[in-house]
Amino acid sequence: EVKLVESGGGLVQPGGSLRLSCATSGFTFTDYYMSWVRQPPGKALEWLGFIRNKANGYTTEYSASVKGRFTISRDNSQSILYLQMNTLRAEDSATYYCARELTGIDYWGQGTTLTVSS
Amino acid sequence: DIQMTQSSSYLSVSLGGRVTITCKASDHINNWLAWYQQKPGNAPRLLISGATSLETGVPSRFSGSGSGKDYTLSITSLQTEDVATYYCQQYWSTPYTFGGGTKLEIK
Repeated sequence: EVKLVESGGGLVQPGGSLRLSCATSGFTFTDYYMSWVRQPPGKALEWLGFIRNKANGYTTEYSASVKGRFTISRDNSQSILYLQMNTLRAEDSATYYCARELTGIDYWGQGTTLTVSS
Repeated sequence: DIQMTQSSSYLSVSLGGRVTITCKASDHINNWLAWYQQKPGNAPRLLISGATSLETGVPSRFSGSGSGKDYTLSITSLQTEDVATYYCQQYWSTPYTFGGGTKLEIK
């Protein structure tokens, strides 16, 4: 059974940093692109970026809204996906989902919530 | 970036009725389009990929169509459990982008 479990959300002050984790199981982690998607309360989904699989060199792509502030990485030995978030703003407050990419996103985590507020 | 526009943010349809949700891309996306269903408090669920391919376990009353820039999700014989918000997403080119969502309710 494929499982994606996010952790690390919480309350952060503007300008602060936080790292989210996504523990995965039930599939060969290195075979897949892995993504982060967020959703502010009551708003639409926003794709943040992905990290490619082993065959494609684990390179990354980002949306313009987070490029330069957020970094996606992966620990392939432990099948964990990370999202390092720096210089956080109030508009980064959202539920953050870890996701497995195939043709579209076929598996999602349950989400972890980030609130950026003083 | 490719923009995805769902023209209806809200639809109200009778039980047993048929609903069509549209999604328009700002550029051709060669059928690299997915549809998701999201119920309140839950993560999205992939319904359709490749514009027309129904995912395993998704009821056959859901179907997808379209080509080029214009795509459609159809639901026939609407059930109460279909009340949700539906999103399209293009994965033709990065950044992958979602539509703004269409909230479906029972009339």
